[in-house]
Amino acid sequence: DAMVIQNPRYQVTQFGKPVTLSCSQTLNHNVMYWYQQKSSQAPKLLFHYYDKDFNNEADTPDNFQSRRPNTSFCFLDIRSPGLGDAAMYLCATSREGQGNQPQHFGDGTRLSIL
Amino acid sequence: SQQGEEDPQALSIQEGENATMNCSYKTSINNLQWYRQNSGRGLVHLILIRSNEREKHSGRLRVTLDTSKKSSSLLITASRAADTASYFCATVAGGTSYGKLTFGQGTILTVHP
Repeated sequence: DAMVIQNPRYQVTQFGKPVTLSCSQTLNHNVMYWYQQKSSQAPKLLFHYYDKDFNNEADTPDNFQSRRPNTSFCFLDIRSPGLGDAAMYLCATSREGQGNQPQHFGDGTRLSIL
Repeated sequence: SQQGEEDPQALSIQEGENATMNCSYKTSINNLQWYRQNSGRGLVHLILIRSNEREKHSGRLRVTLDTSKKSSSLLITASRAADTASYFCATVAGGTSYGKLTFGQGTILTVHP
């Protein structure tokens, strides 16, 4: 089945130690999104790629970076994680970038900071 | 800032009852979407309703949209224990060049067997 896969499901890192979360998709969608969802809160968009074009949300901290080496894969890099970055990170894809199509989500990576 | 506000924050019902969740938003929209999230999982798309539509159905789901009141409702009929989840509305703003989803705070639905 076509899907969005996030690895790992659970990630533990130390305060200040860089961490990378990965997302892959078999849907061949043009757009890939990264969301941050803190406990009992709504998902918040960090950034998205439309093909190779990167679009950062204005309030996304500089600590968060992303890479999309090809259509199928997208990575979220957190350069120096702080305690406030503990959250669920959700990857999503959509066929087009105007919001007229639903987004397809992976099951997320839950990040803990020690 | 969040576009949508959802009401109620939590809803507890018995199997077989109907569940209604409401969503309000502040600015003009292109469309409004509803998603379900089971505990510890990703979001699953339920329904997309465009700004020129007033009602949409999918199985046991019925969504209404009132753009004059900037509000939407999701009705789940004949609920099942498996419907237990968080439900989020999300809007795509009108006049934008890209489809950013802005989520409401969600409604936690618990359906008791």
